[in-house]
Amino acid sequence: GESVGLHLPTLSVQEGDNSIINCAYSNSASDYFIWYKQESGKGPQFIIDIRSNMDKRQGQRVTVLLNKTVKHLSLQIAATQPGDSAVYFCAENPTDKLIFGTGTRLQVFP
Amino acid sequence: NAGVMQNPRHLVRRRGQEARLRCSPMKGHSHVYWYRQLPEEGLKFMVYLQKENIIDESGMPKERFSAEFPKEGPSILRIQQVVRGDSAAYFCASSRTGPRETQYFGPGTRLLVL
Repeated sequence: GESVGLHLPTLSVQEGDNSIINCAYSNSASDYFIWYKQESGKGPQFIIDIRSNMDKRQGQRVTVLLNKTVKHLSLQIAATQPGDSAVYFCAENPTDKLIFGTGTRLQVFP
Repeated sequence: NAGVMQNPRHLVRRRGQEARLRCSPMKGHSHVYWYRQLPEEGLKFMVYLQKENIIDESGMPKERFSAEFPKEGPSILRIQQVVRGDSAAYFCASSRTGPRETQYFGPGTRLLVL
């Protein structure tokens, strides 16, 4: 069936370091991908998205990379801060609904 | 510009009761989506609605669950005769022109069935 999965359920990084969160997707028809950040007790917050006609997209301190050949998506966070601590979800949108992965918990320590 | 609003934020029901969850989309958004999230899991799609129409309910359980998005007022997710397995966080999202653009999420309703 369709699925979006993550390689690392928990990622611990030191404040100031860069973080890389990975995601694999399985639906070849997917052409739109989104990263969401979810803090405890809150709803998912949009971070950045990318369409399949691009390989890379940059935002403020975040970069998303898309490798369609191996169906892999990654989120890079530069100079990770304590406020970045949250669960990060990748999601694909092959049709009219988002398909979410199980999430990666990012822990930032001083 | 207010974001997606959901209420109540927390809802406690006993088995067999009904739960009604409300969602007001962002201003100018006419597409609403409901998702369910179990602890430590990703969100699972339930239903996609436009004003007065259900577009895709493929993720909705066949029984006890229903959703509507009337011409006036918020979208409602209704769960009849709740069971403990219905305990979860229910999130609503909205988008302006359709599902192939960014969906913005509300804060969710946390349903606890005793």
